[in-house]
Amino acid sequence: EVQLEQSGAEVKRPGSTVKVSCKVSGYPFSDYYMNWVFQAPGKGLDLMGYIDPQDGEAIYAEKFQGKVTLTADTSRNIAYLEVSDLTSDDTGVYFCVKLSSGNDAFDVWGQGTLVTVSS
Amino acid sequence: IVMTQSPLFLSVTPGEPASISCRSSQSLLHSNGYNYLDWYLQKPGQAPQLLIYLVSNRASGVPDRFSGSGSGTDFTLKISSVMPEDIGVYYCLQGRQTPRTFGPGTKLDMK
Repeated sequence: EVQLEQSGAEVKRPGSTVKVSCKVSGYPFSDYYMNWVFQAPGKGLDLMGYIDPQDGEAIYAEKFQGKVTLTADTSRNIAYLEVSDLTSDDTGVYFCVKLSSGNDAFDVWGQGTLVTVSS
Repeated sequence: IVMTQSPLFLSVTPGEPASISCRSSQSLLHSNGYNYLDWYLQKPGQAPQLLIYLVSNRASGVPDRFSGSGSGTDFTLKISSVMPEDIGVYYCLQGRQTPRTFGPGTKLDMK
């Protein structure tokens, strides 16, 4: 069974950095792009960027450039999202999402990681 | 590419049909003949799930009461007979251009 298991909820201080992990099982990790989606409380979905685990190349949406860093550890089948210089606007749920090459859709989602930024 | 949806809120009696419109600011039609438009449902408290890909293809396990249509910049998701388990927020997503962009979502609830 294909699964994306994300790390647990975090509470962070403004100005700090958070790193969220996404552990992959059930498919060859390097073969599919991993995307990250942000959802602020009560709001819609916002694609932050994606990474090709095979070569580590990451592409970021313009609004998240400089704010977010995506990495992938192919030896452990884990994708990471790092969000820096946290503000209250970064409070929300972060999802890792597998892109299917067959149907070019987001076919498998992680359960989401809630990050709360509070002083 | 900017995505819009209408309506943003939809209240439906169980057993009745429902329809959601999604429009893109640019054509989603690729030279390969595919329109890169998907539909997702986010049920309360859950991660979104894929419903429809490439306009009209139901994802595995999706009931046939869900159907998608459209081309270019105008797309529609239809539910032939809404069930209580269909409540949640429906999002369209364009994959024609990077970065992919979601519509604002349509919240469906039961009357």
